[in-house]
Amino acid sequence: QITLKESGPTLAQPTETLTLTCSFSGFSLNTPGVGVGWIRQPPGKALEWLALIYWNDDRRYNSALRSRLTITKDASRNQFFLSMTNVDPVDTATYYCVHMGLRRWDYWGQGTLVTVSS
Amino acid sequence: QSRLSQPRSASGTPGQRVTISCSGSTSNIGSNTVNWYQQFPGTAPRLLIHSDNQRPSGVPDRFSASKSGTSASLAISGLQSEDEADYYCATWDDSLDVYWAFGGGTKLTVL
Repeated sequence: QITLKESGPTLAQPTETLTLTCSFSGFSLNTPGVGVGWIRQPPGKALEWLALIYWNDDRRYNSALRSRLTITKDASRNQFFLSMTNVDPVDTATYYCVHMGLRRWDYWGQGTLVTVSS
Repeated sequence: QSRLSQPRSASGTPGQRVTISCSGSTSNIGSNTVNWYQQFPGTAPRLLIHSDNQRPSGVPDRFSASKSGTSASLAISGLQSEDEADYYCATWDDSLDVYWAFGGGTKLTVL
């Protein structure tokens, strides 16, 4: 059974760097083909894909946010991470960590609401 | 602005059949399989349909989907009150700057 859970600050100050952690179980990031990622959803708005990383460290980013995002993993600890620099109130959203099956986001964390405010 | 276009809202009465459309382009729907997600308020999205028309285990067969060209659609037959939720389409996009695209979401109201 695959489960994922996000953790990190619930409040961030503008211009800070936000770092989120996803802890997972039920799969390994050392297994060929496995991918994981981050998707966010501002309050009352649509889903927005942010980044993904594969078992072989291949990474992809949403081009609109590429300069501010870094996705990394620690397969030995069953965790992966998202860093977002220079956060702004428009980055206020629920952030989901997700497992990618064959061209689909099939397992989702419960989400963590991050509010960016001074 | 989403690369996939969905109607903002849809509605139906119990027992009716409702469809939700998702329009894209040759770089996304026209080239890749479409997934659909169901989301209730305050909860994470759930994978409802994958690979254009495949239901994961546990999804009622009242939910079906299809794709033609650069458009896809989700159909819900025998509409029930518990189907009231937001629905999103999503697909891989072959454009170098996108990779993954989501629709803007459709709020389904059961009247």
